[in-house]
Amino acid sequence: RKEVEQDPGPFNVPEGATVAFNCTYSNSASQSFFWYRQDCRKEPKLLMSVYSSGNEDGRFTAQLNRASQYISLLIRDSKLSDSATYLCVVFSSNTGNQFYFGTGTSLTVIP
Amino acid sequence: GAVVSQHPSWVICKSGTSVKIECRSLDFQATTMFWYRQFPKQSLMLMATSNEGSKATYEQGVEKDKFLINHASLTLSTLTVTSAHPEDSSFYICSARDLGEDEQFFGPGTRLTVL
Repeated sequence: RKEVEQDPGPFNVPEGATVAFNCTYSNSASQSFFWYRQDCRKEPKLLMSVYSSGNEDGRFTAQLNRASQYISLLIRDSKLSDSATYLCVVFSSNTGNQFYFGTGTSLTVIP
Repeated sequence: GAVVSQHPSWVICKSGTSVKIECRSLDFQATTMFWYRQFPKQSLMLMATSNEGSKATYEQGVEKDKFLINHASLTLSTLTVTSAHPEDSSFYICSARDLGEDEQFFGPGTRLTVL
């Protein structure tokens, strides 16, 4: 089983739509969780960290459910500029201080 | 956020050439640096983890004699692809993490094409 699994996608949504991505992780001792955004042929950039209480940054809301080992990202009022691949990343210190990446979910926002 | 630079940003070389990629943390001390490889339409694959002053830890299937990693200082790590072949053509990305911090910061990547 993969350490981190994400929705396969791709997601094609119209401008203004709300879209949600899901991610599950296998290591219950994982301690930190992130969503990264990667544009084509570019490096990943941190979108937001994910906290146990859930957190919001503008149109983006991240949720963490430790009991279900599940992370989500909600994007409201999608913009064309949101088109990218979204990577779910989990950090675990009990397996050697390593970051584990999901395969990414591709989002295309259509005019 | 912190800044990580990579050099070169792209390189084209002949088969059999060795290529050296540098990764620098510009405004923080990177006690740990990670080297990733990404093939088209695939996710990042961790190649190795390097801690300053010690030998790198390689992931299964990554040849340590082919991908030489040196992390001699708290701001610089290098990856040398020795005797590169066309199948080594990929996007190589480094990231850096400071001691006690969970977040990692990525370099802009190096696109390697081996002819």
